[in-house]
Amino acid sequence: DTEVTQTPKHLVMGMTNKKSLKCEQHMGHRAMYWYKQKAKKPPELMFVYSYEKLSINESVPSRFSPECPNSSLLNLHLHALQPEDSALYLCASSQAGSRGSEQYFGPGTRLTVT
Amino acid sequence: AQKITQTQPGMFVQEKEAVTLDCTYDTSDQSYGLFWYKQPSSGEMIFLIYQGSYDEQNATEGRYSLNFQKARKSANLVISASQLGDSAMYFCAMRELIKAAGNKLTFGGGTRVLVKP
Repeated sequence: DTEVTQTPKHLVMGMTNKKSLKCEQHMGHRAMYWYKQKAKKPPELMFVYSYEKLSINESVPSRFSPECPNSSLLNLHLHALQPEDSALYLCASSQAGSRGSEQYFGPGTRLTVT
Repeated sequence: AQKITQTQPGMFVQEKEAVTLDCTYDTSDQSYGLFWYKQPSSGEMIFLIYQGSYDEQNATEGRYSLNFQKARKSANLVISASQLGDSAMYFCAMRELIKAAGNKLTFGGGTRVLVKP
């Protein structure tokens, strides 16, 4: 099973709302990632979790709050977002500490902030 | 800092023909990895092929092959016998290994491929 699932597929939220994006994998990977992708641009790394601990934060604003409750789940909590945060949010997983390990991506959540 | 460049924003290819997508990179690391991903309009990033900097042979995966020229710092993707389903955005990416943290990928700007029947 090489599947990474993400929910919801689409999300529309107001600037005062609080919402969460969810990501799940059952490949035994111990590294999980959040990427943000604007239209017609490549994905940009936001966060990396390794063995359930936050290892990389690419200077992401605090209105994005990641959480890794266990080795299979990754959440991204959203609060007080801005319209420019509208994007495709991709989750990925890989083996941790492995040179050749490809990242497996989920289908993404298309977020619109109104 | 690592940098990935894809100079072809878009390409047309005739069905059943081969197409080469260009990718050049810049890094000061001796050990690195190069990946190609396909992104259909649905949004999911699909892993296609991997080449390690110490791999002596060019990587191949089915209809995909990677033309790795280390001295030129290029890692071009060749898709043979194009199919309509190959129409998508293609990203070249370089891996930076962050010790036990996993792979940090830096992506090129992408090349959109449209296969014509």
